[in-house]
Amino acid sequence: DVVMTQSPLSLPVTLGQPASISCRSTQSLVHTDGNTYLNWFQQRPGQSPRRLIYKVSTRDSGVPDRFSGSGSGTDFTLIISRVEAEDVGVYFCMQGTHWPSYTFGQGTKLEIK
Amino acid sequence: EMRLVESGGAVVQPGGSLRLSCSASGFIFSDYAMHWVRQVPGKGLEWVSLIRWDGSSTFYADAVRGRFIISRDNSKNSLYLQMNSLKHEDTALYYCIKEDYSGYSVDCWGRGTLVTVSS
Repeated sequence: DVVMTQSPLSLPVTLGQPASISCRSTQSLVHTDGNTYLNWFQQRPGQSPRRLIYKVSTRDSGVPDRFSGSGSGTDFTLIISRVEAEDVGVYFCMQGTHWPSYTFGQGTKLEIK
Repeated sequence: EMRLVESGGAVVQPGGSLRLSCSASGFIFSDYAMHWVRQVPGKGLEWVSLIRWDGSSTFYADAVRGRFIISRDNSKNSLYLQMNSLKHEDTALYYCIKEDYSGYSVDCWGRGTLVTVSS
């Protein structure tokens, strides 16, 4: 199985400052169709997870442009350019390339310093 | 707006059975494959099972294969997970999730339903 490893697992950030979360996979996430199915989700306290980004860098509708994704192969990053109070929650990556078994990162808890 | 609502979670003894349900709305349920994933409190997410849009194929994680059965009723916009021979390690919050159009991502999650296996 593909293992997804996130870091850091805890991320205290000052309001207005950037935040960066890393996600690494044990196998390449490049699909035979040429796409890379790496997704990022946000789970605010008490809420269901919400997808922010799919296919490494495509933002979902309604996601603020302060969220961006990048990376390739086995190494990916989620960046929040300027953290706002509403960004508090857990962020996790998920690979869909090696379908049907999705695998997830452990989650990164973002809090405000 | 797409919505998934799970139900059926409970406290059950080891060796017991439970049936989870997931009610879908806001999208054409019969067009999409659906999954169950679970999360042990304080731990990461684990994929459990998948069923294709028409129920023609099902897939299971090794940890549940032979004990859990996924099914769906497209006429009722509903997804199910029959859980048999439950073990302590099946204790988790179970989420119903919807594949997106690509089939390689998820664009809707439920709130989850809690299953506790305890004597």
